[in-house]
Amino acid sequence: AQSVTQPDIHITVSEGASLELRCNYSYGATPYLFWYVQSPGQGLQLLLKYFSGDTLVQGIKGFEAEFKRSQSSFNLRKPSVHWSDAAEYFCAVGAGANAGKSTFGDGTTLTVKP
Amino acid sequence: SQTIHQWPATLVQPVGSPLSLECTVEGTSNPNLYWYRQAAGRGLQLLFYSVGIGQISSEVPQNLSASRPQDRQFILSSKKLLLSDSGFYLCAWMLGTGVSGELFFGEGSRLTVL
Repeated sequence: AQSVTQPDIHITVSEGASLELRCNYSYGATPYLFWYVQSPGQGLQLLLKYFSGDTLVQGIKGFEAEFKRSQSSFNLRKPSVHWSDAAEYFCAVGAGANAGKSTFGDGTTLTVKP
Repeated sequence: SQTIHQWPATLVQPVGSPLSLECTVEGTSNPNLYWYRQAAGRGLQLLFYSVGIGQISSEVPQNLSASRPQDRQFILSSKKLLLSDSGFYLCAWMLGTGVSGELFFGEGSRLTVL
């Protein structure tokens, strides 16, 4: 069975500082990996996804993530955080056409200090 | 463009009362449809998914049921709500024939059972 671990429940960074959110997955084949963002009381929005090819993927809002098969990781990064990035971030792993059965991590809440 | 609508946005119901949450998708055909529940401080738990009209798969045993009476309509129901049914319910869709695996989420329905 597939699983996702986000080790950090809550992260606080200063505005303008760099950010890295960690994600580790467990899956028997090549995974489809996703990062979603959720603002309070809202649905989730896709930030980026990895299916194959270049292991460094670019997403919206200046985010990027790197797939490292040897570490079973898919960490999300941003070089300079803006106050509007404060939200909850979810990593998810799927399985191709059946990827609607994506498994989500418990999420990391990001707080941005002025 | 595709859109997804969920209603009601907020619902407060007494224990033992029935429930009906509705979700509709516009701008696409034969989507895969999903109901997720998000408990406070937790990730997303997949409750039901559907790959076509009348086809429902349940992921976890529970007090809820789902139906898909039309191609782009997905309904979450309960005959008698429990306190443990409280949570944030998210409907999502995915292209049924593609392999992108990206989920598009509605804005959510917050259910409080008293």
